[in-house]
Amino acid sequence: AQKITQTQPGMFVQEKEAVTLDCTYDTSDQSYGLFWYKQPSSGEMIFLIYQGSYDEQNATEGRYSLNFQKARKSANLVISASQLGDSAMYFCAMREPFLYQAGTALIFGKGTTLSVSS
Amino acid sequence: SAVISQKPSRDICQRGTSLTIQCQVDSQVTMMFWYRQQPGQSLTLIATANQGSEATYESGFVIDKFPISRPNLTFSTLTVSNMSPEDSSIYLCSTSGQGGGGTQYFGPGTRLTVL
Repeated sequence: AQKITQTQPGMFVQEKEAVTLDCTYDTSDQSYGLFWYKQPSSGEMIFLIYQGSYDEQNATEGRYSLNFQKARKSANLVISASQLGDSAMYFCAMREPFLYQAGTALIFGKGTTLSVSS
Repeated sequence: SAVISQKPSRDICQRGTSLTIQCQVDSQVTMMFWYRQQPGQSLTLIATANQGSEATYESGFVIDKFPISRPNLTFSTLTVSNMSPEDSSIYLCSTSGQGGGGTQYFGPGTRLTVL
C-alpha cells in the first residue's frame, strides 16, 4: 500500500485564486511528520511547510497552510492568492521513525503539477 | 537551514562509464541522504550516509552500483557506476536542518543523462 497518496496529477488555477493540493498518508505510528516541497522545472526541492503529528494547530507559512485532519489521515496544502511563480510540481512527504533502516529519511508521494495562469 | 551544494549540476555520460557526484554542506551534519528521481517520477531514497560508518542502502540499491563516501561531517559523494540509460535521473542529496520535525533540505540536484 502506498504510504503517501496524491490523487491529483495536475491542477490548474488562475492568478490570485486559492488552490488546495490533496495528500493522504498511511501510518500506524503515533509520531510522524508531514512535509510539503515545491519542485520547479530547475529540479531543486524547496521546503514549504511542516506539520507534526502532535501539533494541534494547522501549520502556516506565509501563503501556505496545511489543512491537517489527523483522523482522516490527510494533510492538504492550501496556497492562497496563487502567483505565476507557483507553477511547479508539489510533493507531499512523510517522516516516520522506523520507515527506513537508518531512520529519519522521507517518503514522497507521486506529486501534483500545479499550473497557474494569468 | 543548511546550505547544500552539489557538483556537477548536470552531465551527459556514455553507458558503461561512472560518475561521481559531490555534495557539500555548509555546517556539520550527522546524516546525509541520497535520493534518485527518475524522469516524471517521485523521489526514492538510495541510501543514508553517516560519517565514520558504511552507508545504509535501501531495497533495490546496492553498494557496487552506488558506492558512497562520507569522509567528514560536511561532505559526501555518490558514484553511479557502470551506467546505463536507466540511470538517467536527477540525483539529490539532503540533510536534516533546524526546521521542525527534522525538516530535510536538499541540494540543487545533479541531472544525469546516460546515452
